[in-house]
Amino acid sequence: AQKVTQAQTEISVVEKEDVTLDCVYETRDTTYYLFWYKQPPSGELVFLIRRNSFDEQNEISGRYSWNFQKSTSSFNFTITASQVVDSAVYFCALSEANSGYSTLTFGKGTMLLVSP
Amino acid sequence: DADVTQTPRNRITKTGKRIMLECSQTKGHDRMYWYRQDPGLGLQLIYYSFDVKDINKGEISDGYSVSRQAQAKFSLSLESAIPNQTALYFCATSDLRDSDNEQFFGPGTRLTVL
Repeated sequence: AQKVTQAQTEISVVEKEDVTLDCVYETRDTTYYLFWYKQPPSGELVFLIRRNSFDEQNEISGRYSWNFQKSTSSFNFTITASQVVDSAVYFCALSEANSGYSTLTFGKGTMLLVSP
Repeated sequence: DADVTQTPRNRITKTGKRIMLECSQTKGHDRMYWYRQDPGLGLQLIYYSFDVKDINKGEISDGYSVSRQAQAKFSLSLESAIPNQTALYFCATSDLRDSDNEQFFGPGTRLTVL
């Protein structure tokens, strides 16, 4: 069974629109970490955020915000007032205590296209 | 200078050739990883190593081997490359002391097998 599901394969928006990228995860652990990474067209992976399972407080960083809900096993990512530079593939990932936090399981990614 | 470097950055090779991808890090991290990325499939773990004497298979290790020559170096080899190994390969590191296993990625190596 897929442990990290990013159901949206591709999303297209027009600049200044708000957009939410969904991430649903599956784990039996009570302790785990969730991550979001960004992969711009240049190809490198850029770390965006880390959240542990005991901290359900939502986080805002500039135009980016994250909504963590354990009740629905979701860790969604919202970009407010999107910009062309936000165009990238975004990955959600999970690190579990039962693996000693030794590995990351990635979702398949969501490609975000922001047009002018 | 980048903390995690990969060489080469791009490589084109032919079916049946042996090829090695190298990864070096200056972060002083114990843990190192190799991933491959195929379009639409995200990143899949090939091998990982927690120290020089520790090597572990990931989810897609068939057709690959690795060598941890030193704490700072972790190489990935394709003994006999095949076209479906055409992909983007990433090396990553993490610090054993960081409980969350945040991983730091290299710039990637784009490999094409003809």
